[in-house]
Amino acid sequence: GDSVTQMEGPVTLSEEAFLTINCTYTATGYPSLFWYVQYPGEGLQLLLKATKADDKGSNKGFEATYRKETTSFHLEKGSVQVSDSAVYFCALSDNAGGTSYGKLTFGQGTILTVHP
Amino acid sequence: NAGVTQTPKFQVLKTGQSMTLQCAQDMNHEYMSWYRQDPGMGLRLIHYSVGAGITDQGEVPNGYNVSRSTTEDFPLRLLSAAPSQTSVYFCASSYSARRGDNSPLHFGNGTRLTVT
Repeated sequence: GDSVTQMEGPVTLSEEAFLTINCTYTATGYPSLFWYVQYPGEGLQLLLKATKADDKGSNKGFEATYRKETTSFHLEKGSVQVSDSAVYFCALSDNAGGTSYGKLTFGQGTILTVHP
Repeated sequence: NAGVTQTPKFQVLKTGQSMTLQCAQDMNHEYMSWYRQDPGMGLRLIHYSVGAGITDQGEVPNGYNVSRSTTEDFPLRLLSAAPSQTSVYFCASSYSARRGDNSPLHFGNGTRLTVT
């Protein structure tokens, strides 16, 4: 079945440091890939997405590129801020045949803490 | 615009008790779903619905029931609570969950349930 694996956390960085959170996936067919972010006490919200190979999703300074050859969708940000402290989830939606409706499969989440 | 509203925010139950977690959305979304979030396991799909009167099981449906009598509401029922159901529960909706549509999921703020 489909699966998403994220790098082990938690990740602790100083403000303005470079961030990478690794994400790899296994899926049948041609999945769409997503990063969701969860701020303390809130539900998840979509951060960015990519729907086909070599697409780059970007939002709020975060970027991730859909790499079919390495089945990866790593999240990056050049300079993190304290306000980026949150839990980040990688997810996929399998667009292969079968039932009509796709469902999201989530990774286990990576806790990011940014210190001033 | 309220989005996805979940009640209650917190709940403590004794083993064997039953209760209903409420979820309502005001965006006229076709698709609604329930996830549970457990440490180190990401989010796991419990049940989902693709429209009023239509529900289906997700990855971890045992011990839970759902119904969808209106487009707006999607309650989750715990029939006989067990300590293994201690978790944070999220309701999520999207405009469409058809394969390839990639409509983003909108999450509620969650219900933290403890079963003693």
